[in-house]
Amino acid sequence: NAGVTQTPKFQVLKTGQSMTLQCAQDMNHEYMSWYRQDPGMGLRLIHYSVGAGITDQGEVPNGYNVSRSTTEDFPLRLLSAAPSQTSVYFCASTRAVGQPQHFGDGTRLSIL
Amino acid sequence: AQKITQTQPGMFVQEKEAVTLDCTYDTSDQSYGLFWYKQPSSGEMIFLIYQGSYDEQNATEGRYSLNFQKARKSANLVISASQLGDSAMYFCAMRTLGGSNYKLTFGKGTLLTVNP
Repeated sequence: NAGVTQTPKFQVLKTGQSMTLQCAQDMNHEYMSWYRQDPGMGLRLIHYSVGAGITDQGEVPNGYNVSRSTTEDFPLRLLSAAPSQTSVYFCASTRAVGQPQHFGDGTRLSIL
Repeated sequence: AQKITQTQPGMFVQEKEAVTLDCTYDTSDQSYGLFWYKQPSSGEMIFLIYQGSYDEQNATEGRYSLNFQKARKSANLVISASQLGDSAMYFCAMRTLGGSNYKLTFGKGTLLTVNP
C-alpha cells in the first residue's frame, strides 16, 4: 500500500551541488508531476510527465531536469543548487486528468 | 491561462459549526475539474473533493461539500460540523479536462483554525 514514495525526506545542500530527488509510484499511473511549495505561494508545477518517455515543463522549470524511463519512476534533478531552490518538493501521480492526484509525503530541501 | 484565487489567508471557526472556504477561478476552457486538498501541519496533501464543470449537482463527500456556481466561477468548500482535526491549510486547484494541457493550478491556500 505504498502509493507515492519520495526520498529523501530531508536534505541540505551547498550552493552549486547537484542532487536527484527520487519519486516512485506503484499504482501504474501514467501521469506524474513535481511541485514545489513555498510559503504564501501554494504549489507550483515544475515538470510533469504523461507517460514513460514523455515529459514537459510546468510553471517553474528553470534549474530542474526530469526524465521518465519507466512508468513507476520520475526523478527530479537539481543541476546546480541555488538558495532560491530551498523549498518543499512534492511528487504526485494520477490515473487520469479528471482524477485526484496522489501526493508523496514531500522532500524538505535547504540550500545553503 | 488558468488562475485560482483564495481570498481568505486565514479563517477561524468554532468546533461543531460550519465554515465556507472561498475559491474563485479564471479559465477560458469549457471543460475543467476543480479539486480541494487539505494539508495538515504534518505536511501531507490529502484529496477532499472534486467537481467537474459539467456536473449538474454539487459534489459532496461526507462533511465536505462544494458550492459550485459556474456563472460566478466560484467553487467554495463547505465543511459542516467542524472538528479540531479540520485545522489545516486548504488548497483549491483546477485542471483543464481534455486536450494536452495537463497542468494543475493551485491557489495560495486558506489556513483554517478550529477553536474548541
